[in-house]
Amino acid sequence: DQQVKQNSPSLSVQEGRISILNCDYTNSMFDYFLWYKKYPAEGPTFLISISSIKDKNEDGRFTVFLNKSAKHLSLHIVPSQPGDSAVYFCAALTQGGSEKLVFGKGTKLTVNP
Amino acid sequence: GEEVAQTPKHLVRGEGQKAKLYCAPIKGHSYVFWYQQVLKNEFKFLISFQNENVFDETGMPKERFSAKCLPNSPCSLEIQATKLEDSAVYFCASSLTGGGVKDTEAFFGQGTRLTVV
Repeated sequence: DQQVKQNSPSLSVQEGRISILNCDYTNSMFDYFLWYKKYPAEGPTFLISISSIKDKNEDGRFTVFLNKSAKHLSLHIVPSQPGDSAVYFCAALTQGGSEKLVFGKGTKLTVNP
Repeated sequence: GEEVAQTPKHLVRGEGQKAKLYCAPIKGHSYVFWYQQVLKNEFKFLISFQNENVFDETGMPKERFSAKCLPNSPCSLEIQATKLEDSAVYFCASSLTGGGVKDTEAFFGQGTRLTVV
């Protein structure tokens, strides 16, 4: 049973516009959430994270929002750039537990010039 | 080193042969994780280490998979008697602490693509 779900396999946006990637989770024990970006033939690169005690974390063009009651998080990229085109993975873990990351299946973002 | 180094990049094995993958974590990182990604799908957790001790092995297929992290050596993941279904990209990651604390998130290597024919 998938504990972290990214229901959109792909997303296409225009350069300069906002990209919104969504992620849902089912395990209420998760208390730390991360977004990773992956280019083909490379390993995932950490992008941004958020603790469950916060509802927003911002880093430059990237903002992650967490809605604990809905068990939903989203990654906003604004403005989107062609270099942002990649697969984005949402991941979650339980602090103080096994520390393993539980990943979603990823969303392929394409930013068109 | 400043990055997680995985070798080899590609590995081809005939069914039934042994495969051994290596991972050098970032210097100073205490935790090492192995994940398997099949067909570009989600990452499946295999095993983690805290220094040279197994921390969590709940994802490991017990019969054919084994892993080690010995002092002063790269960590290794070994598959005895590979099967077609083992074909995947195997990623190693390391983190300073467990990864659930800001600025100590897990950093991934570039992966080893294992193809079993």
